[in-house]
This record gives sequence, structure tokens and C-alpha cells, in this order.
Amino acid sequence: EAGVAQSPRYKIIEKRQSVAFWCNPISGHATLYWYQQILGQGPKLLIQFQNNGVVDDSQLPKDRFSAERLKGVDSTLKIQPAKLEDSAVYLCASSFGDAPNYGYTFGSGTRLTVV
Amino acid sequence: KQEVTQIPAALSVPEGENLVLNCSFTDSAIYNLQWFRQDPGKGLTSLLLIQSSQREQTSGRLNASLDKSSGRSTLYIAASQPGDSATYLCAVTQAGTALIFGKGTTLSVSS
Repeated sequence: EAGVAQSPRYKIIEKRQSVAFWCNPISGHATLYWYQQILGQGPKLLIQFQNNGVVDDSQLPKDRFSAERLKGVDSTLKIQPAKLEDSAVYLCASSFGDAPNYGYTFGSGTRLTVV
Repeated sequence: KQEVTQIPAALSVPEGENLVLNCSFTDSAIYNLQWFRQDPGKGLTSLLLIQSSQREQTSGRLNASLDKSSGRSTLYIAASQPGDSATYLCAVTQAGTALIFGKGTTLSVSS
């Protein structure tokens, strides 16, 4: 089966600019996750979708970050305006369901550098 | 709030050594624990998943153990190889939460 696709792979922007990331999960996977991984840290959940509804966005900085999952398939994560501390790898993952025993499949991530 | 800690943060060993990576978590009410591997510039690859009712899982040269009551897990790598060089991440799931990760252990195996 095809994996989780993410684009772009790399992005460099200036602070206060906006940026968007795209994720296409594995076909049939109802649950989609966006994680932020700052250098030297473990991934931190930003938002979890079940189909096109939000399950958990408690750690999403909503003043600058937004995410949507239209039609319960692809998802986009947007940052506007970006800050230097947003420099990180943004990982998308999907799973068949949201039960803990369902495995996650991760994409290769988008590395964002804010200068 | 669940916290996952991994020790050591970095480890360098010569090829052929057996090694142990440690993971601890503060809340023992977990559903399962997973070990992932992350290569530079790549996503995460799941290595082993241990359900809360299990004590260990094995895959090839990898063995992961779980002591839920004490909040600890270890990943044992036998006969390490240069290709094992990567960052190893431990993560747990609980009721109503997605995966919660530790900061990882970066392993370097020299030939």
C-alpha cells in the first residue's frame, strides 16, 4: 500500500510569512494526526482528526496555526504568521481508527526553517 | 499529565556490542507502548508494539520489555551494526490520547 504522502519536503520562510503543508493519508485511514518535532525533541501532537472532525487540538497554537481535513481525506496545516520557534519538522500520520491498538503510519515530514 | 523520558539521550558503541535503551513513563495507565526508529530526514518506523497486558515483544535482534507497574520499558539490541545508527523513540498511548513521545535516544554504531 502507498504510504502517507507529505509535501513539501523542505520549506524556508521569513518570520511573519505564512506557510502551508499538505498530507495525504493511507487510503481508508479514518484518523489523521499532525505532529511537530523540534530538533532534539520528541514529536508533539498538534491536532487529531477523525474523518473530517477534530478530536484533539488542545496543543495547537490557534492564534497562528490552523488545520483542516476536507472530505475526511487530505489535510492541510497552515501557519500564519510564522515565528522563529516554529522551525521544526511537521509530521503527518494516519491510522485505521482511533483505538489505541491501531498502528500509526508516519509520513517523511516537512522540515520548516523560519529565518 | 503523562511524561515519557528516555535515557541516555545519546549513545555511541562499537559494532557487535549488545546495548539497552531505557524509557520511563509517569502514569502507568497505558494501553500500549511502542518503540520507533527515526533516520535523519525520514519519518518514523514502528519497531515493536507492546500491549499493556504483555511483558515483552521480540523482532529479530530487537527485544522490548514492559514493566507497567514501575513505568519502565527497555529496548535491547543484540549484536549492534552500523545500520542500527538512528534515533530511537519510545511512545505510549492512553485512554483518549494519541501517541505521547519521549525525546529519543540517538544511537551511533561504529564499524
